[in-house]
Amino acid sequence: QKEVEQNSGPLSVPEGAIASLNCTYSDRGSQSFFWYRQYSGKSPELIMFIYSNGDKEDGRFTAQLNKASQYVSLLIRDSQPSDSATYLCAVNRGQKLVFGTGTRLLVSP
Amino acid sequence: ETGVTQTPRHLVMGMTNKKSLKCEQHLGHNAMYWYKQSAKKPLELMFVYSLEERVENNSVPSRFSPECPNSSHLFLHLHTLQPEDSALYLCASSLDRSSGNTIYFGEGSWLTVV
Repeated sequence: QKEVEQNSGPLSVPEGAIASLNCTYSDRGSQSFFWYRQYSGKSPELIMFIYSNGDKEDGRFTAQLNKASQYVSLLIRDSQPSDSATYLCAVNRGQKLVFGTGTRLLVSP
Repeated sequence: ETGVTQTPRHLVMGMTNKKSLKCEQHLGHNAMYWYKQSAKKPLELMFVYSLEERVENNSVPSRFSPECPNSSHLFLHLHTLQPEDSALYLCASSLDRSSGNTIYFGEGSWLTVV
């Protein structure tokens, strides 16, 4: 089992729709969860982090964490073509940050 | 000025060459990292430095040699690389190594080994 699993996609959504990106992790001791966005040919940039169970909202982005089920998700409301990118989930294992392979999101106009 | 800067952005080198990647962070962070990103693979952590001391080496071949002269600068010295080492090499930094601290990435150095 991979430490951090993501569906590679692509996930295709029309402009204005809600995009839902999911991530599961294997280490029950993980406490910190991050979502990074990576445009093609660019480096990852932080979108959100979440530490506590429940939802955390920041503009059009909502991170959801369920530690009992060991999953974390990212919702993007009112998706825009500029949101088209690969979204990386990262989870701490001790002091190390472990990344998933990313989900490619395509938002069509 | 971006927080973490890397040079060169693109590098093509032969298998017998010696080259270096440079990273500088302007965020006042105490931890710095080298990651490797290959196609369709997750980011692979290569090295971690905390306060200029190497605290982690994830079984990286000796043809990759890191150097951290101070908390703001990090180098990755490359020699006798293989074509499979072609990848995006990302430098990153964080406030310290606490698990809750966000890692900030540089723009990356695209390396092609021919």
